[in-house]
Amino acid sequence: GENVEQHPSTLSVQEGDSAVIKCTYSDSASNYFPWYKQELGKRPQLIIDIRSNVGEKKDQRIAVTLNKTAKHFSLHITETQPEDSAVYFCAASIQQAGTALIFGKGTTLSVSS
Amino acid sequence: SAVISQKPSRDICQRGTSLTIQCQVDSQVTMMFWYRQQPGQSLTLIATANQGSEATYESGFVIDKFPISRPNLTFSTLTVSNMSPEDSSIYLCSVSDRFYEQYFGPGTRLTVT
Repeated sequence: GENVEQHPSTLSVQEGDSAVIKCTYSDSASNYFPWYKQELGKRPQLIIDIRSNVGEKKDQRIAVTLNKTAKHFSLHITETQPEDSAVYFCAASIQQAGTALIFGKGTTLSVSS
Repeated sequence: SAVISQKPSRDICQRGTSLTIQCQVDSQVTMMFWYRQQPGQSLTLIATANQGSEATYESGFVIDKFPISRPNLTFSTLTVSNMSPEDSSIYLCSVSDRFYEQYFGPGTRLTVT
C-alpha cells in the first residue's frame, strides 16, 4: 500500500520568511496530493491540492509542486505570518479508485513575530 | 464543501464499554471514511464505508472492534467496542466529493478510563 514520508517534523521560522515542507510517496499510481492545515483542537482543513497532470499550483502565499518522476511533492508558504502556525499534513491517494487519503506524519510550523 | 457533523463531540467512557459515534453529512456522498488521530499524531485510516457494501478495514483494524454502519448516503456510524485506555483518541469521519477532495468532520474526542 501507499506510504507517505514527510519532513521536517518541526519547522520554526521568523515572520516574513518562507517555509518549505517536503513529502515523498511510494505508490506510483497515486495521482492526488492534498495538503491540510490543522490548528490545535480543530479538524484538518484542506488548504491546497495538486493532481498528477500538473507540476505546480499556487494560491496567494501558498504553492505546491509535484515531481512525479521522483515521487515527491512540496508545500511552499511565502511571507509567513503568525497565523500560519499549525500542523501541516501532506497526503496521497488514487483519485479514480476513490481510495482514502494516506497521510504523512505532519509538520509543526511555528512562525514567530 | 459538504457540512459534516459528528456526535458526540467528546465522551469519557469506562473500560470494557462501547461507544457509537455518528457522522451526518448535509448532502449525499458515495465515499465516507473513518480515521483515528491519537494525541500529537497523524491521521490513521480505520476503514472506508460505502453505502450498500461492507466497510473495508485497514490493516490493524477489525470489524469486531470497530463495527461500521452506512445505512444511506448521508449517514454513518462507527462503534468502538470493548474499549481500553489505548482507544483514547480523536475519531474523525470524512467524505469525498465528486472532485475527490476530502473533508473532515469536527471529530469525537474519546477518553477511556
